[in-house]
Amino acid sequence: DTEVTQTPKHLVMGMTNKKSLKCEQHMGHRAMYWYKQKAKKPPELMFVYSYEKLSINESVPSRFSPECPNSSLLNLHLHALQPEDSALYLCASSQGAQETQYFGPGTRLLVL
Amino acid sequence: AQSVTQLGSHVSVSEGALVLLRCNYSSSVPPYLFWYVQYPNQGLQLLLKYTTGATLVKGINGFEAEFKKSETSFHLTKPSAHMSDAAEYFCAASGYSSASKIIFGSGTRLSIRP
Repeated sequence: DTEVTQTPKHLVMGMTNKKSLKCEQHMGHRAMYWYKQKAKKPPELMFVYSYEKLSINESVPSRFSPECPNSSLLNLHLHALQPEDSALYLCASSQGAQETQYFGPGTRLLVL
Repeated sequence: AQSVTQLGSHVSVSEGALVLLRCNYSSSVPPYLFWYVQYPNQGLQLLLKYTTGATLVKGINGFEAEFKKSETSFHLTKPSAHMSDAAEYFCAASGYSSASKIIFGSGTRLSIRP
């Protein structure tokens, strides 16, 4: 089973809202990732968690706040987003660093 | 800086024709190489990967890719295109550093003509 699940599939939020994206995997992977993807572009890495600890933050604005409650779950908390933050947010997981990353279906976010 | 280059942002082929999507990587040390496919409004799906060993790698949906160290290339091919192959294809590389990062190419949109 190489499935990564993400909820919700779609999200519309105002600039003053607080919302969260959720990602889950049950493959026993120890690394989990958040990516942002704009239309017709490759995914851009935002955060990497390794063994439930944040190991990489690609200078992401503080209005995005990741959380890894346990080895299977990854959240992305959103607050005071801007319209330019509208994008597809992808979660991925891998067995370890440099290993194959398996992606979820993404959450399509629209900020009004 | 390490990079992955995909030649051609858009490739159009007729149904039944050969598909060739080009990917070159920059590195003195061969990285791990991947091809991912993304259908509209979906996440990325792994097509195939090269780590070590046999340089011709077979993937899902009839795709294959050949690692050529001398040309620093990892082109993706399929002998006969099907309408369902229309999608965005990303070449990617990892192993450039100890960090858990993969570098994506800019992507190639594949269109299939009836």
